[in-house]
Amino acid sequence: KNEVEQSPQNLTAQEGEFITINCSYSVGISALHWLQQHPGGGIVSLFMLSSGKKKHGRLIATINIQEKHSSLHITASHPRDSAVYICAVRNTGNQFYFGTGTSLTVIP
Amino acid sequence: DVKVTQSSRYLVKRTGEKVFLECVQDMDHENMFWYRQDPGLGLRLIYFSYDVKMKEKGDIPEGYSVSREKKERFSLILESASTNQTSMYLCASRDFGKETQYFGPGTRLLVL
Repeated sequence: KNEVEQSPQNLTAQEGEFITINCSYSVGISALHWLQQHPGGGIVSLFMLSSGKKKHGRLIATINIQEKHSSLHITASHPRDSAVYICAVRNTGNQFYFGTGTSLTVIP
Repeated sequence: DVKVTQSSRYLVKRTGEKVFLECVQDMDHENMFWYRQDPGLGLRLIYFSYDVKMKEKGDIPEGYSVSREKKERFSLILESASTNQTSMYLCASRDFGKETQYFGPGTRLLVL
């Protein structure tokens, strides 16, 4: 059972490209998170969304509750953006479900 | 800044050994979590704790136990390590009523 599906699994981009990572989920949610995991393992929280859109620097996250879909966009990508991006949702029962991650490599 | 630390970054153990993974957070968070992360499977919840001395099973508790004697410390115990427990283990904490989980750096465990 995959309550959270991400695409693509792997993504390689040239520096400067606009990048989109997609997340679809099948459960009713209270919130959706985008996480970033750098090589070496540490995970940081990028965004928490329950509706609409959020922006932080070159990162933009959107969510469509009706379609059960979220996207993470990176504008003007840079090699330091290379990481695994993980979508996670918290359902109304307070349970977290994680996607398997999208591995992004940005080439100089 | 919230800090979550884990006792080891890398650990190599033999089958049958008892293994302790320690996690400490410095922000007085009530909730703490242990996950394992495997390629193609994402993060899976092993155990979580809502408060001191309280624990709840997650999705994959078999072969693991936990201990939370103090609020800042959440330990994961592998009573008798097996090769299928080779994985990346991640600890996280969260303030009561808040959304964001703060993750530790992870422990890569290899069981031979």
